[in-house]
Amino acid sequence: DAKTTQPPSMDCAEGRAANLPCNHSTISGNEYVYWYRQIHSQGPQYIIHGLKNNETNEMASLIITEDRKSSTLILPHATLRDTAVYYCIVRVGNNAGNNRKLIWGLGTSLAVNP
Amino acid sequence: NAGVTQTPKFQVLKTGQSMTLQCAQDMNHEYMSWYRQDPGMGLRLIHYSVGAGITDQGEVPNGYNVSRSTTEDFPLRLLSAAPSQTSVYFCASSRIATNEQFFGPGTRLTVL
Repeated sequence: DAKTTQPPSMDCAEGRAANLPCNHSTISGNEYVYWYRQIHSQGPQYIIHGLKNNETNEMASLIITEDRKSSTLILPHATLRDTAVYYCIVRVGNNAGNNRKLIWGLGTSLAVNP
Repeated sequence: NAGVTQTPKFQVLKTGQSMTLQCAQDMNHEYMSWYRQDPGMGLRLIHYSVGAGITDQGEVPNGYNVSRSTTEDFPLRLLSAAPSQTSVYFCASSRIATNEQFFGPGTRLTVL
């Protein structure tokens, strides 16, 4: 599976949009982009995933560039509870059996400030 | 639904001791897995299972055993604890045809 690159840390003001970038320049055509977050000391939490189209759910939006070499996770109105480490992961296929090859990096530590 | 539960929350062992970390899920998920998380490193997959009776090794399986006798339970056994196994351990589950993994709250293990 392709490796991802994320900035180690970011800040965001409460109520503003948080835009978290992820570079995955070696992504293959059948690899999905997944985002998870981990609030301090808790287990990671799934946020969203996509293949090539932009996706939106109740938590966030995922924007994938046309060449699929990068993506951005958008939290439209960040709150203090969104302070967490955000992980961008790419994985072949939409099947848990491929989790063996997942590479979890160090993610981006997002601090939402009042 | 309780989701994914793990016990114990904290554990201190002496080198050479054995123990079992418990993991259970009530969502009827086929896929279950164990990860460890160490400071300065990403999550690393220890073992996983795609269904009852089926297990396989992940990235860092040495020193750990698993079994999957039921859909709900996936215990992780440390055979002879070593200080290098000091870590936070997370159990996760999901449907087989997805990667929306649900994680447990973690077990913080210290081996002296």
